[in-house]
Amino acid sequence: KAGVTQTPRYLIKTRGQQVTLSCSPISGHRSVSWYQQTPGQGLQFLFEYFSETQRNKGNFPGRFSGRQFSNSRSEMNVSTLELGDSALYLCASSSGTGGRTDTQYFGPGTRLTVL
Amino acid sequence: AQKITQTQPGMFVQEKEAVTLDCTYDTSDPSYGLFWYKQPSSGEMIFLIYQGSYDQQNATEGRYSLNFQKARKSANLVISASQLGDSAMYFCAMREVDSGYSTLTFGKGTMLLVSP
Repeated sequence: KAGVTQTPRYLIKTRGQQVTLSCSPISGHRSVSWYQQTPGQGLQFLFEYFSETQRNKGNFPGRFSGRQFSNSRSEMNVSTLELGDSALYLCASSSGTGGRTDTQYFGPGTRLTVL
Repeated sequence: AQKITQTQPGMFVQEKEAVTLDCTYDTSDPSYGLFWYKQPSSGEMIFLIYQGSYDQQNATEGRYSLNFQKARKSANLVISASQLGDSAMYFCAMREVDSGYSTLTFGKGTMLLVSP
């Protein structure tokens, strides 16, 4: 089975621009979660989508948004980029049962640099 | 309060030796899952091992085992016979199932360096 894929792998943007990141989950997985990882804050949960609906949301400003399509692929968008948005953005997929055994499998990440 | 605490920012071990990475957690939920992930310098988070709160036995996956001490709220990862390729960041994570669908909470990680 193919793993989680994320595109693009690297992005360089300037302040004020917007960016869209894409994630394709493992086949059959219906849940996609997004995380931001920075050296200072560590791994922070952004949001989770299940069957095209946002099921959970982390503590991030409204500039961060996402969506999920009927084939479970997901995109996240960051508008009006700030320098502090420079980070590794990780996508994870799971079966989505939400139970304690619901294991998340991660993609390789998108490294975003904001200049 | 932090839900997952990894007190060791960095650990050093020699090749072929065993190493234990510490993880303590905080929850009042009786139903939870504990996970360990490895993150090499490439950035991808690799799932290693899972332990459920109701599991009677410690989980094992190849060279990885989880020393689960429920009363102490401890879930330490043991890597036996370390290899150079084990050098990476290691994250402990927990999923609680108290109400609705829960998210995964991560610790700050431990950097493991394996020397020849």
